[in-house]
Amino acid sequence: KAGVTQTPRYLIKTRGQQVTLSCSPISGHRSVSWYQQTPGQGLQFLFEYFSETQRNKGNFPGRFSGRQFSNSRSEMNVSTLELGDSALYLCASSLHAGGGGELFFGEGSRLTVL
Amino acid sequence: GQNIDQPTEMTATEGAIVQINCTYQTSGFNGLFWYQQHAGEAPTFLSYNVLDGLEEKGRFSSFLSRSKGYSYLLLKELQMKDSASYLCAVRAEYRGATNKLIFGTGTLLAVQP
Repeated sequence: KAGVTQTPRYLIKTRGQQVTLSCSPISGHRSVSWYQQTPGQGLQFLFEYFSETQRNKGNFPGRFSGRQFSNSRSEMNVSTLELGDSALYLCASSLHAGGGGELFFGEGSRLTVL
Repeated sequence: GQNIDQPTEMTATEGAIVQINCTYQTSGFNGLFWYQQHAGEAPTFLSYNVLDGLEEKGRFSSFLSRSKGYSYLLLKELQMKDSASYLCAVRAEYRGATNKLIFGTGTLLAVQP
């Protein structure tokens, strides 16, 4: 069974640019959530999607957006990049939203903003 | 506010037992998770507690006290491969149908020979 696939794995952008990250969840999983991981802040919740609907959003500026497609694949977009957006962006998929279901994380997309 | 505290670093000896503590103060509570993350890799699920008490799974056990806002992860018979960061996370929403988790900054465990 294939795991969570995130692309690209590494990318370098400059301030002011925008970036789109992609996440393909485990087959059959309908819940996708996104987290930002930085050394100082740890993992911070960005958003959560279930059946193409955003169910929850974290405390990030409007420059961060996302969406989920009918095949459960998800994308997140960051516009007008800032140096502080440099981080590992992790996508997690789950069969259900909530309960004791574990989140299966992808390897992440490491973004460097210069 | 939401706050989850765990020690930044711990060191233990191969074959020994180590306990990693986690305290939380959140607006709501609907489950606590422990994840393991090796350097450069994705976090992997270890345990889930929603009721008070101890959950045992092989060499790993997790304990929860909701009244004290406290959990610990117990690792027995430590192996070198257990050297990793251990993340405590809380579902801080009263409604259970969400995968929004609040994570602590993680405890980096170093297992020495």
